Amino acid sequence: AAGVIQSPRHLIKEKRETATLKCYPIPRHDTVYWYQQGPGQDPQFLISFYEKMQSDKGSIPDRFSAQQFSDYHSELNMSSLELGDSALYFCASSYDRGVILTFGAGSRLTVL
Amino acid sequence: KQEVTQIPAALSVPEGENLVLNCSFTDSAIYNLQWFRQDPGKGLTSLLLIQSSQREQTSGRLNASLDKSSGRSTLYIAASQPGDSATYLCAVLAGGTSYGKLTFGQGTILTVHP
Repeated sequence: AAGVIQSPRHLIKEKRETATLKCYPIPRHDTVYWYQQGPGQDPQFLISFYEKMQSDKGSIPDRFSAQQFSDYHSELNMSSLELGDSALYFCASSYDRGVILTFGAGSRLTVL
Repeated sequence: KQEVTQIPAALSVPEGENLVLNCSFTDSAIYNLQWFRQDPGKGLTSLLLIQSSQREQTSGRLNASLDKSSGRSTLYIAASQPGDSATYLCAVLAGGTSYGKLTFGQGTILTVHP
């Protein structure tokens, strides 16, 4: 069965650069969630989208923005990268804001 | 604000032992509770999901229980194997309009040695 696809799986950037992570939800899933997991930390909720509209917002820095497109894929844009942004970024999806989330494998961002 | 705590933070056991991982949460108004496995630097693999109306779920050697009123869940692993070594995360989904806003515990790092 198709799962949640995240790209790229690994990304290395310099400080102050910009990075974009992509998430392709399971087919028919219309809700996408982004989480950030720092080294040795538990995942923290960043932001979610339902039917291409922002649904909920967590601890997402102002330097980050995200959107959901007409095909329901989502992109997380991170600007002015800082060393502390180095983390594993997870995307999850569900149908109709359902309570059962399916997680992707994550995108590992390293900021040097 | 929901807080999730997992005990112990780390556990090292010999192969074959039965073990229990604990998870507690402060707000009992939850939709569900989920246990995940995470290998070092890897993604989250969902192990068991317990809806708020359920008491337990079983999958193979894993059994998870939920006592919503006391804010506790346990993950029981029977006959542990070295391949079970990983970090186990507990996460709760709050009620209300917190769609998909899971709150995770810090995890229990499990090492099963041969």
